[in-house]
Amino acid sequence: DTGVSQDPRHKITKRGQNVTFRCDPISEHNRLYWYRQTLGQGPEFLTYFQNEAQLEKSRLLSDRFSAERPKGSFSTLEIQRTEQGDSAMYLCASTRIKVRQVLSGANVLTFGAGSRLTVL
Amino acid sequence: TQLLEQSPQFLSIQEGENLTVYCNSSSVFSSLQWYRQEPGEGPVLLVTVVTGGEVKKLKRLTFQFGDARKDSSLHITAAQPGDTGLYLCAGAGSGAGSYQLTFGKGTKLSVIP
Repeated sequence: DTGVSQDPRHKITKRGQNVTFRCDPISEHNRLYWYRQTLGQGPEFLTYFQNEAQLEKSRLLSDRFSAERPKGSFSTLEIQRTEQGDSAMYLCASTRIKVRQVLSGANVLTFGAGSRLTVL
Repeated sequence: TQLLEQSPQFLSIQEGENLTVYCNSSSVFSSLQWYRQEPGEGPVLLVTVVTGGEVKKLKRLTFQFGDARKDSSLHITAAQPGDTGLYLCAGAGSGAGSYQLTFGKGTKLSVIP
């Protein structure tokens, strides 16, 4: 396994267009996270999945954002009607953890290299 | 809302100097992690500290978790250009952030040869 893969690495789009990012987590990892990172900031939590269930969504995740993990493996993050403020690095991370278990020091999140979105 | 404040925000030093960066919060975390991130890449885990007062060493890097588990520091001895990057602290397992990591804004370190 080569780690967490994200695609595409870079996306430039015009305002108003839709974009979709894909994340392939480490195969045995059942929990998957999406974070957003803007320039000069740390990553901000967007949402996470336990297997195929989306268990928590941040207030940052507006109605234009939707995330899925249909079979509990790869995940997609779609942004509809993109705005310039959506320009950011979208990071995916995964870990193996029991359902409803809180994160602890024993749980290492492995991050992908990110998908950088630029909205013109 | 849990907040992690990192300081300084930017740090530029000469090769061979020592430095310390800080991560502070008003919240208690069950564990705290330090990551390093290079431009265009995702964060890479350096260390996890769990016990209050814990000190961990990773070659020239020394990490400390505060006794009350609200703060942490990272000390780098004899910095090298390869240490350049964004250092992020992230807290886990407390209150509303129990199921995800809460990150600080990071310290951007530049080590000049």
